[in-house]
Amino acid sequence: QVQLVESGGGVVQPGRSLRLSCAVSGLTFSNYGIHWVRQAPGKGLEWVAAISYDGSNKPYADSVKGRFTISRDNSKNTLYLQMNSLRPEDTAVYYCAKSIVPTHYYCGMDVWGQGTTVTVSS
Amino acid sequence: QSALTQPASVSGSPGQSITISCTGTSSDVGGFDYVSWYQQHPGKAPKLMIYEVTNRPSGVPDRFSASKSGNTASLTISGLQAEDEADYYCSSYRSSTTLVFGGGTKLTVL
Repeated sequence: QVQLVESGGGVVQPGRSLRLSCAVSGLTFSNYGIHWVRQAPGKGLEWVAAISYDGSNKPYADSVKGRFTISRDNSKNTLYLQMNSLRPEDTAVYYCAKSIVPTHYYCGMDVWGQGTTVTVSS
Repeated sequence: QSALTQPASVSGSPGQSITISCTGTSSDVGGFDYVSWYQQHPGKAPKLMIYEVTNRPSGVPDRFSASKSGNTASLTISGLQAEDEADYYCSSYRSSTTLVFGGGTKLTVL
């Protein structure tokens, strides 16, 4: 079945960097847009970024634009989120999630990973 | 990017129906048919319940239905069951190619 597995979370000091990965299996990875969504402790969901199936479109939330970079390696079935200049307010569980409609990343996310926790603290 | 507006909480008894609203603007909910709804139980990843305003993914019970009128989308759960107790989030495509979530609604089954 389709699986998404995040990794790379941890505790990091403000201003430092971290790279998250999302390994995808069970589908033709290169056909689907993928998202990063985060959830701060006790808070709601916040969309972070997405990447289209071919990597040509990479929209970001204003809160991370210029600091975070989403990318994908279709040969490795893996999605990445490079997070630079981290702030305490970036502390959250980060989920990767697959788009339900091939080639349209904004229609809904039908398969989610289990999440990886990022804590930004000195 | 302001979130879509949802009620903080709703409640209902088993067997009853409840509706959760999700209000946006003409730049998101009202302007595109790309509204989704997610269910999240504590400590779990979200689960897609509705996509493209009214479509149910396979495996989602038909007790879950949704609609949209103007800038407000709605999720209705009929025949409430205990396992429906969870947080529910709406999301919408927003012009300038971004996505936005609602603040979430806690559903309590009395």
